[in-house]
Amino acid sequence: ETAVFQTPNYHVTQVGNEVSFNCKQTLGHDTMYWYKQDSKKLLKIMFSYNNKQLIVNETVPRRFSPQSSDKAHLNLRIKSVEPEDSAVYLCASRHWGGSFEQYFGPGTRLTVL
Amino acid sequence: GEQVEQRPPHLSVREGDSAIIICTYTDSATAYFSWYKQEAGAGLQLLMSVLSNVDRKEEQGLTVLLNKKDKRLSLNLTAAHPGDSAVYFCAVLGSNYNVLYFGSGTKLTVEP
Repeated sequence: ETAVFQTPNYHVTQVGNEVSFNCKQTLGHDTMYWYKQDSKKLLKIMFSYNNKQLIVNETVPRRFSPQSSDKAHLNLRIKSVEPEDSAVYLCASRHWGGSFEQYFGPGTRLTVL
Repeated sequence: GEQVEQRPPHLSVREGDSAIIICTYTDSATAYFSWYKQEAGAGLQLLMSVLSNVDRKEEQGLTVLLNKKDKRLSLNLTAAHPGDSAVYFCAVLGSNYNVLYFGSGTKLTVEP
């Protein structure tokens, strides 16, 4: 099956803890993204990677750090989570230089207590 | 950056009726437009996309209209059915040709 996969589906943690989310795509794409969807369903770009290189880093707190081992994987680490980090984190991918279409994973829901 | 407004935030229609969702954007150089569907607890499903040289596109009961003069994008679901109930988002490509900017979403409810 070719798609965008995310783990875990959800995660509950306490303020100050560190969390990591994983994203893998089997679509053969070379560009991957992290978007944040808040409690009001608003979607906003966080990071964009092309061939393991960071190309977009929107205004995101320093406690967020993306990590890419290869063009099919893009993980997200959050050091010392805050209550406002509670959201759904959506990973997406596309083929740079081809169609602009972005394909999304199912998301990881983070709840910070 | 690009600003995208979407309306209405909530839309309720009866089965078989049409549902129309509208987005406006600010950057006249925007080259790519798309619509996504998000069902409860799920990710975003790409419905349709158009480039800026397309005014109208129809696929499987969906019609996308692009009015570049008014910077307006619309999605028309003809003959909606309960399975269409979801949150719909428009998304436009930023001037860097990389990042999508999303509307605020429309929660569509189709009643039997």
